[in-house]
Amino acid sequence: EVQILETGGGLVKPGGSLRLSCATSGFNFNDYFMNWVRQAPGKGLEWVAQIRNKNYNYATYYAESLEGRVTISRDDSKSSVYLQVSSLRAEDTAIYYCMQQLRGWGQGVMVTVSS
Amino acid sequence: DVVMTQTPVSLPVSLGGQASISCRSSQSLVHSNGNTYLHWYLQKPGQSPQLLIYRVSNRFSGVPDRFSGSGSGTDFTLKISRVEPEDLGDYYCLQSTHFPWTFGGGTKLELK
Repeated sequence: EVQILETGGGLVKPGGSLRLSCATSGFNFNDYFMNWVRQAPGKGLEWVAQIRNKNYNYATYYAESLEGRVTISRDDSKSSVYLQVSSLRAEDTAIYYCMQQLRGWGQGVMVTVSS
Repeated sequence: DVVMTQTPVSLPVSLGGQASISCRSSQSLVHSNGNTYLHWYLQKPGQSPQLLIYRVSNRFSGVPDRFSGSGSGTDFTLKISRVEPEDLGDYYCLQSTHFPWTFGGGTKLELK
């Protein structure tokens, strides 16, 4: 059974940083590209970042709205992917989902940016 | 960025009826490899999105054949026949042909 579990959310002050983690199991993680998608309260879905696998040299891609403030990384030995977000703003408040297109989505983790 | 225009925003339906959702892209979604990376997701209240249709018309594992996807180039449609209570929620199209990936604004399927 595929499992995707995000952790690391919480309340952060504006200007702060956060590292989100996504642990996966039930599929051959090394073979797949992984993504982060976010959803602000009551709003639609916004793709955030992708990291490709070793065959593609772990290439990374980012949404322009976050570029420079976000870094996606992965640890194949732990079947995990990470999202580091810095200089957080109120508009970064959202549920952050880890997703693999054909394997599924995690349940999401809430990030709230507020003083 | 590719803009995905999804209509309607709200779609009242009767149980057992049919629903149709449109997704139009601001540029062609045909990849240089010939594939078209347009997908449909359903997000039920309080849940994560779930994949329904991938690459225009391929039903994901376990998705009932009441769901069908069609289209090409810049114009795509999701049809749901014989709507059931578990079909209610927010539907999103996603293009993954071009970076950055972009979602449609969503369509809320609700009871009439």
